[in-house]
Amino acid sequence: AQSVTQPDIHITVSEGASLELRCNYSYGATPYLFWYVQSPGQGLQLLLKYFSGDTLVQGIKGFEAEFKRSQSSFNLRKPSVHWSDAAEYFCAVPRHRPQTGGGADGLTFGKGTHLIIQP
Amino acid sequence: NAGVMQNPRHLVRRRGQEARLRCSPMKGHSHVYWYRQLPEEGLKFMVYLQKENIIDESGMPKERFSAEFPKEGPSILRIQQVVRGDSAAYFCASSPGPGGPYYNEQFFGPGTRLTVL
Repeated sequence: AQSVTQPDIHITVSEGASLELRCNYSYGATPYLFWYVQSPGQGLQLLLKYFSGDTLVQGIKGFEAEFKRSQSSFNLRKPSVHWSDAAEYFCAVPRHRPQTGGGADGLTFGKGTHLIIQP
Repeated sequence: NAGVMQNPRHLVRRRGQEARLRCSPMKGHSHVYWYRQLPEEGLKFMVYLQKENIIDESGMPKERFSAEFPKEGPSILRIQQVVRGDSAAYFCASSPGPGGPYYNEQFFGPGTRLTVL
């Protein structure tokens, strides 16, 4: 089974400052990687995903993430955070290695990083 | 295109009662996934279903929990004889079948928050 580690449980950032949330994965092949955001009391919204190709991925709400195979990382970044970015952020991978031709699968999530924005 | 719908949004049950959680996937989606989120935890996979088939239920507790996705109607996650430890947020996600541009991408519903008294 594949796994995901988010080393930071809480991160506090001042509004307008840059942000980087860490994600490390364990995966037996070229991974599919996802970042989701969860606002309080809400479901999860997909921010961005990496399947293949360009290792720098652009997402919604001004977020981007960079896939680094050598470091087994897929860190999420934003150049300037807004108070509305306060939320829980989850990194995820498929539970199993993709089958030949692809295969839908459940996701394995990290434990999440709680982002606090200071005024 | 309506998103994934779950109801009820909040459910309160007493110990020993049954809880039935419903999930309607996005239009055109044939794959449904259920996840459980305990307080201060990430989401844990429970079960993956396609219409009338359970594909992977390796994340489901062996007893009291069951899931179905009938030919018609929503997917149902059923918890019999609930205990306090079942209190959690239960999320449903859906994805299209293979071949589409969003294959393997999951869209989540708002969740059902179950409280067991």
